[in-house]
Amino acid sequence: QSALTQPASVSGSPGQSITISCTGTSSDVGGYNYVSWYQQHPGKAPKLMIYDVSKRPSGVSNRFSGSKSGNTASLTISGLQAEDEADYYCCSYAGSRVFGGGTKLTVL
Amino acid sequence: QLQLQESGPGLVKPSETLSLTCTVSGGSISSSSYYWGWIRQPPGKGLEWIGSIYYSGSTYYNPSLKSRVTISVDTSKNQFSLKLSSVTAADTAVYYCARDNYPFDPWGQGTLVTVSS
Repeated sequence: QSALTQPASVSGSPGQSITISCTGTSSDVGGYNYVSWYQQHPGKAPKLMIYDVSKRPSGVSNRFSGSKSGNTASLTISGLQAEDEADYYCCSYAGSRVFGGGTKLTVL
Repeated sequence: QLQLQESGPGLVKPSETLSLTCTVSGGSISSSSYYWGWIRQPPGKGLEWIGSIYYSGSTYYNPSLKSRVTISVDTSKNQFSLKLSSVTAADTAVYYCARDNYPFDPWGQGTLVTVSS
């Protein structure tokens, strides 16, 4: 299984919206509605932000949203805040589990 | 609430076997519908799923690591464990355990394992 493809970095100014893509194949992202997204601050464990493509766990801001089209899933963060600066990883069920390579979000 | 904590040696010699345990508190590892997983992250790199186990003992492993990985569960201690054999420097990473209900949530805090002589 190959890692899902994410952009290495994205950036945005406070208040703006950004979108992070996660591209896989019909055997993973495209084949199941089990895409999840994780936020990781330096030195910390990953935190679940989105699951089942577009569902938000309790306590996660509604500024975070997820979607999927074909073999590509997306995480959108609206109203960017300084504390959103972190690494973001997608993950898909694929019979097994496969992560994306990660995207570093910089809030300018 | 459910909490997970990794434990084990922080230093392992090349060619030896890495052994880690994840202790689950605040809930039973025997709860139905959940798998329990191991994920690792080499320094400065991304996350890699290692494998997951059901409380009954059924396992799924990353094909790229399958020949070296064994994950087991001890329901009496509410723990599950990871063994990775024939380690090299490339296995140096922070190792996380997590409840695997696709998604992974919650996660342990992680433990750094360094492979070095």
